[in-house]
Amino acid sequence: ETGVTQTPRHLVMGMTNKKSLKCEQHLGHNAMYWYKQSAKKPLELMFVYNFKEQTENNSVPSRFSPECPNSSHLFLHLHTLQPEDSALYLCASSQDGNEQFFGPGTRLTVL
Amino acid sequence: GNSVTQMEGPVTLSEEAFLTINCTYTATGYPSLFWYVQYPGEGLQLLLKATKADDKGSNKGFEATYRKETTSFHLEKGSVQVSDSAVYFCALFTGGFKTIFGAGTRLFVKA
Repeated sequence: ETGVTQTPRHLVMGMTNKKSLKCEQHLGHNAMYWYKQSAKKPLELMFVYNFKEQTENNSVPSRFSPECPNSSHLFLHLHTLQPEDSALYLCASSQDGNEQFFGPGTRLTVL
Repeated sequence: GNSVTQMEGPVTLSEEAFLTINCTYTATGYPSLFWYVQYPGEGLQLLLKATKADDKGSNKGFEATYRKETTSFHLEKGSVQVSDSAVYFCALFTGGFKTIFGAGTRLFVKA
């Protein structure tokens, strides 16, 4: 595997389910990011991890819980989501915050 | 604060037409400037970048010049192809671990 990978690519879940999104970067970068991309809205930065420490949390609801066990892996744990949380969730990595490398995204649908 | 403003889309062009997508920015300090592209069903990928005033970034026939006097970084291509249909994002980085993205401009190229 090369670059940034995300699994699953598509996810459908009910509002009472618990699921997790996974991201892995194979680039040796020291920072990882979660973004939310909704139709007709700008890209929203959700979380930033630098050397496994969370450095940014843009007022994201607690039903989204990030986890960064090491500098190569990033998870987004989801529970009791709302239909308006349906979106494309993008993971990215960078070295020192500069050029960002994105994964293909997870298309999430909340029923 | 730092911000990026880019022209609203969608932009619809015929094949071989000239493309300009405007981008202006507000930033303290000396930002690096980027254009990212998102093809259907994929994440964002870096198209080109410029790190200081008067630098010209170029890739795949696209060009953008870092104009400090007008705080602009307009994207241009002399002859677009159907395969250039995508969403284009202007972005700036001033340090730290956060990149500021514009809202994106969707480009449709007709054969």
